[in-house]
Amino acid sequence: KNEVEQSPQNLTAQEGEFITINCSYSVGISALHWLQQHPGGGIVSLFMLSSGKKKHGRLIATINIQEKHSSLHITASHPRDSAVYICAPQQRQGAQKLVFGQGTRLTINP
Amino acid sequence: NAGVMQNPRHLVRRRGQEARLRCSPMKGHSHVYWYRQLPEEGLKFMVYLQKENIIDESGMPKERFSAEFPKEGPSILRIQQVVRGDSAAYFCASSRQGISNEQFFGPGTRLTVL
Repeated sequence: KNEVEQSPQNLTAQEGEFITINCSYSVGISALHWLQQHPGGGIVSLFMLSSGKKKHGRLIATINIQEKHSSLHITASHPRDSAVYICAPQQRQGAQKLVFGQGTRLTINP
Repeated sequence: NAGVMQNPRHLVRRRGQEARLRCSPMKGHSHVYWYRQLPEEGLKFMVYLQKENIIDESGMPKERFSAEFPKEGPSILRIQQVVRGDSAAYFCASSRQGISNEQFFGPGTRLTVL
């Protein structure tokens, strides 16, 4: 079993729809990152959170430490949100390195 | 405040040559992480370095790969005698020292081995 499971793996939606991407993990963590990777390949860090909820513009990230689960929400989705979204828990022990989910490929159609 | 810089952005090598990938962390950051993304695969941790120290290299292949982060200058990921299977995107990230080790990613270096 993978240490990090994301769902869905692929998601296609219409512009304006509310999007939810889920992440479950099995490792003990100090924090969890949500990353965005565009077709060009660059990676942008969207959120780093260790509890509760964070909001940035149309993006919202939540985490439940007890249930080892995090969600990324996008409100009023737009075609420019099309990208791969990656959940990356940061291990609590040692080097606090990131472990990565396989990513969710999101496509927003106009 | 410039972000994490990586160069070159694209690197083409023939089998058997050496590849050197550079990463300049953000100003004030003394921790560097290297990650590899093989084609159609997810990101994988390779190595974690602080200035002049390798802290965790558990993700590095046993042979041909090495990394350093000298007191002055960028961090270097070195791949000797490259093979086609080394073709991948290599990302580095940097963070400050401390508990809240938020990592900031560079744009990556895409290595193609012919």
